[in-house]
Amino acid sequence: AQKVTQAQTEISVVEKEDVTLDCVYETRDTTYYLFWYKQPPSGELVFLIRRNSFDEQNEISGRYSWNFQKSTSSFNFTITASQVVDSAVYFCAPLGGGGSNYKLTFGKGTLLTVNP
Amino acid sequence: GAGVSQTPSNKVTEKGKYVELRCDPISGHTALYWYRQSLGQGPEFLIYFQGTGAADDSGLPNDRFFAVRPEGSVSTLKIQRTERGDSAVYLCASSQGTGRYNEQFFGPGTRLTVL
Repeated sequence: AQKVTQAQTEISVVEKEDVTLDCVYETRDTTYYLFWYKQPPSGELVFLIRRNSFDEQNEISGRYSWNFQKSTSSFNFTITASQVVDSAVYFCAPLGGGGSNYKLTFGKGTLLTVNP
Repeated sequence: GAGVSQTPSNKVTEKGKYVELRCDPISGHTALYWYRQSLGQGPEFLIYFQGTGAADDSGLPNDRFFAVRPEGSVSTLKIQRTERGDSAVYLCASSQGTGRYNEQFFGPGTRLTVL
C-alpha cells in the first residue's frame, strides 16, 4: 500500500523567503508516480508536477523546484522567493499501489502561509 | 469552459434525504474520479470510472453511495439517506488515461452539509 507523510503541518514565512515542503512516501512498487498539488483558499486543487520513479532528475519551473531522491523516499518541494499568493495547502500524492495506476493517495498536506 | 465543472457548488440537506452531485469532466478525458475531502484532511478516493464503467468503487464508504457515468462523460454521485458524517467536500477529477497519462485535473468541488 502507498503511504505518504508530510511531517510539516503548518509553515509560516515572510514574503521573499525560500521555503521547502517535505514529503516522504512509502511504496512496495518499483514503478510509481508522485504528484504535488496546491489547494489555495478557494478550494480547487491545482496540479503542479508529476514525476515517475525512473527519473530522479530535479526539476525547476520558475520559482518552484522539486528534489526527488528515490534512495531516501523523498520528494521535496521548494518555493524560492515566496509570495503571498503562494499561501495554500500543498499535497504530495503518490499514484498507485496494489496494482492500481490511477488512485492518488493524499497526505494531510502542509499549510503554507506567506506573510507580507 | 475547459476545466472540470461540478454542480451544485454548495448543497445543504437534512439527515435522511437523498442528494445528487454532478461532475462534468474535461472534454475527451476517459477517466473520471470522485474523491471526498473532510475538513483538515487530504482528499480520499471514492470511485474511478474508465469510460462508462466503474472500474474501482472500493472507496465508497457503504451502499448508500452510488455513482454513474452512463454516456462516458458526465457523472453523478448519489447519496441516499444522508447522515451528518457525510458532510464534506466532494471532488471530481478527470484525466486522459491512467499511469503515465494520469495527470488528474480537479473540479472546484461540491460542499455538502447534512444538518
